[in-house]
Amino acid sequence: SQTIHQWPATLVQPVGSPLSLECTVEGTSNPNLYWYRQAAGRGLQLLFYSVGIGQISSEVPQNLSASRPQDRQFILSSKKLLLSDSGFYLCAWSVRDRGGSPLHFGNGTRLTVT
Amino acid sequence: AQSVAQPEDQVNVAEGNPLTVKCTYSVSGNPYLFWYVQYPNRGLQFLLKYITGDNLVKGSYGFEAEFNKSQTSFHLKKPSALVSDSALYFCAVRDGAGANNLFFGTGTRLTVIP
Repeated sequence: SQTIHQWPATLVQPVGSPLSLECTVEGTSNPNLYWYRQAAGRGLQLLFYSVGIGQISSEVPQNLSASRPQDRQFILSSKKLLLSDSGFYLCAWSVRDRGGSPLHFGNGTRLTVT
Repeated sequence: AQSVAQPEDQVNVAEGNPLTVKCTYSVSGNPYLFWYVQYPNRGLQFLLKYITGDNLVKGSYGFEAEFNKSQTSFHLKKPSALVSDSALYFCAVRDGAGANNLFFGTGTRLTVIP
């Protein structure tokens, strides 16, 4: 069966520090990968998605970047965190098809920028 | 453009009563519709989806949803609510024309009262 791992679960970082959140998927190949941010326990905003190694699409211009160095690894990064980067970050994967497959989410990372 | 609306921030229902969580959508092509549930500090869990076929789809934990093309709605239902159903519910839509992005509603908090 497929599993998705996301770490760390919680993170407290000072303003201006770098960020690296990692997500890995097991039990599947060539997945679509996604990073979402959830603010205030509500709506989800798509930050990045990837359909293959090195292929990253950014949905919202911001202080963050994403990379996919391996087929099942997706990394969210920042060189200098802002207070507004605080939130709940969710990684997800889906089967690469015509869009009918659901997204499967990790347990998320709660980031607090102080 | 794709969008999804969940008109109710909060739904309260007594245990054992039927529940409905509302969702309406807008897409230019055929809609691919999904429902997810989120428990505190966790990722989203997939409940059910509509791609094509029967308008009534059944999913996990006794939930079902009815696709209504004329009303552009996809309401989530359950015949008898449990206290353990209390959570945050998200409706999501993808344009069936091959879009990668999955657009989420702002969520509806369901509280089942014992």
